[in-house]
Amino acid sequence: EAGVTQFPSHSVIEKGQTVTLRCDPISGHDNLYWYRRVMGKEIKFLLHFVKESKQDESGMPNNRFLAERTGGTYSTLKVQPAELEDSGVYFCASSQETGYEQYFGPGTRLTVT
Amino acid sequence: AQKVTQAQTEISVVEKEDVTLDCVYETRDTTYYLFWYKQPPSGELVFLIRRNSFDEQNEISGRYSWNFQKSTSSFNFTITASQVVDSAVYFCALSVVFGNEKLTFGTGTRLTIIP
Repeated sequence: EAGVTQFPSHSVIEKGQTVTLRCDPISGHDNLYWYRRVMGKEIKFLLHFVKESKQDESGMPNNRFLAERTGGTYSTLKVQPAELEDSGVYFCASSQETGYEQYFGPGTRLTVT
Repeated sequence: AQKVTQAQTEISVVEKEDVTLDCVYETRDTTYYLFWYKQPPSGELVFLIRRNSFDEQNEISGRYSWNFQKSTSSFNFTITASQVVDSAVYFCALSVVFGNEKLTFGTGTRLTIIP
C-alpha cells in the first residue's frame, strides 16, 4: 500500500510568487491534515479535511493560504503571494478515522527568498 | 488549549546504551491520545505509538518502551540497547478526542547514537 506522497519535495521561490503544494493521502483515508514546521519550532497544525469538507482550518495563518481537496482525494495548498516567513517544511498526513493515528508524508521544504 | 513539552533538545549516547526521551503534556480534557513519531534523516514522520488516556499500562515493542503516567502528565519513551539506526528526531504529540483531532506537537528531541 502506497503511503502519503507530497509534491514537490523542495521548492524555492521568490517573495511575492505563488506556490502550490500537493498531497496524495493513503487510498481510502477520508481525513487529510496539513501541518507546517518553521525552522527550529514545533510542527503546527494548519487544517483538517474530512473528504472534501474543511473540518477545521483554525491553524491557517492568514488568507494568503488556500487549501482545497476537490473530490475528496488529493489536496493542494496554495500560498499566494509568498512571504519570507512562509519558509518551512509543510507536512501532509492522512488517517482512516478521526482520532486514529495519522500517517505523514515526507514533507515539502519551501524556501522563500 | 493543549501543550506538549520536550525539554531535551538534543541527546547523544554511545551505541548500546539505553536512552529515555521525556515528554510532558498539558490538557484540560479527560479523554485524549498521546503519540510518538520518529523523523529519520530522510524527513518523513514515522508513527511509533498511540495511547489513549484511559490506558496507563506501559507498552513494550522490541527495544522500544513507553511509560505513561497521568499523575505527572508524562509519556516517556525509552530505547534499550540503542543502535545507530535510532538516530533521528523524535516528536511527542497530543490530540483531544471527539471534535478536535489535530495533533499538538512538542519541539522534538534530536537523538544521536554514536557508534
